[in-house]
Parts: sequence; C-alpha cells; structure tokens
Amino acid sequence: ELKVEQNPLFLSMQEGKNYTIYCNYSTTSDRLYWYRQDPGKSLESLFVLLSNGAVKQEGRLMASLDTKARLSTLHITAAVHDLSATYFCAVDMAMDSNYQLIWGAGTKLIIKP
Amino acid sequence: DGGITQSPKYLFRKEGQNVTLSCEQNLNHDAMYWYRQDPGQGLRLIYYSQIVNDFQKGDIAEGYSVSREKKESFPLTVTSAQKNPTAFYLCASSPFGTGDEQFFGPGTRLTVL
Repeated sequence: ELKVEQNPLFLSMQEGKNYTIYCNYSTTSDRLYWYRQDPGKSLESLFVLLSNGAVKQEGRLMASLDTKARLSTLHITAAVHDLSATYFCAVDMAMDSNYQLIWGAGTKLIIKP
Repeated sequence: DGGITQSPKYLFRKEGQNVTLSCEQNLNHDAMYWYRQDPGQGLRLIYYSQIVNDFQKGDIAEGYSVSREKKESFPLTVTSAQKNPTAFYLCASSPFGTGDEQFFGPGTRLTVL
C-alpha cells in the first residue's frame, strides 16, 4: 500500500523552542515535497527534495531527505508565531504505470507566544 | 504574472443543483488536478489530467465530473449525485508528469444550503 505518514499530527509549542516534524513513506521514492497551509488558505510550496541526503533551508525551517530510511524531516529552529500553520509532505510514488503524489495527513503546528 | 486562478472564491449551492468550479493556469503546465479538503483534514484527489482531452479518476471521483478541452483549463462540475459536497476545493497544476511539484490555486469554498 502506498502510504505517507506524518507525525505528530498536532503540535503545540512555545516560541523559541526547536522541534521536528517527521514524514515516513512506504515505498521507494527520491522526490519529496513540503507545503505550508495557513488557515482558510491554499497550499504554498516550501521545499523540493530530489535526492538522498538533500537538505534545504529557508529561515527557521530546514528539510532533509533520507531515501534509504524513507524519511524526511522538517526541523523548526527557535519557533516564532508566524510559523503557525499546517504542514504537508507529499511523496512521488510509482502507481500502476504512472507516478503520483501521495499526501500525508498534515501536521497542524501552533506556536504560542 | 504566471499562476493558477480559481473562481468563484465562495459558492453556495442548493441541494439538487449542479455547479461548476473554474480553474485556469497560464504556467503552460501539462498536468492539472482537483482536490477536496474537508475541515481539519488533508487533501483527497478527485480527478487529474495529464494531457488535453484525457483525465483519470482519483480517490473520490463519484459525484464529480471534469473536462480538459484546453491545456489552460480544467473545470470541475459538482453534480447532484455528490451527497455531501460542502468542502474547500483546490486546483493544482504541475509542469510535466503527475509526480512533479504541484502548484496550487487559491481554492473555492463550496457550501450547500
């Protein structure tokens, strides 16, 4: 079964703290995407990870990909309130004779002042 | 400015009515998608299209129909057969294949009265 699991699904944290969101997937892939969704809004692309060991950073967010472990992490450093959002990972997986993006359920992140 | 537009932003429908949601892109992308998102939930794929005049069902196609007569346009019709259509509908496109990074429109919020 093609599955993408995110954990935690809900995270409440204090400003200034560090935390990591995990994205595990069930079958071989070397393309993974992270998106952000603000309440009531659409999805915005954050990171594109295209190979094993890929690491991307933007401000207080850093994403990495370990294709052997089938795991991506989204690390938040010294969180600020503006990072409150829902974060989705999506993995490119082979399905039948095609490729599809399989989506995680999302991690709702609330950062308290 | 290149991007994806969806209209209307808000749509109200009486029970038993068909309604059509518009999605247009000027990114010259080959593939287009429709997703449904219920409150607090992740994305569920309704339909996708990789080329003009061709489309495939996603996970929850029942009660929906689409067409792809032009590369730029991928309208979604929510039919009266869809029993619980109240949701947030997101259109997306990707440059080539269905495993590529997807870019999202602003969404249409459909409410059944």
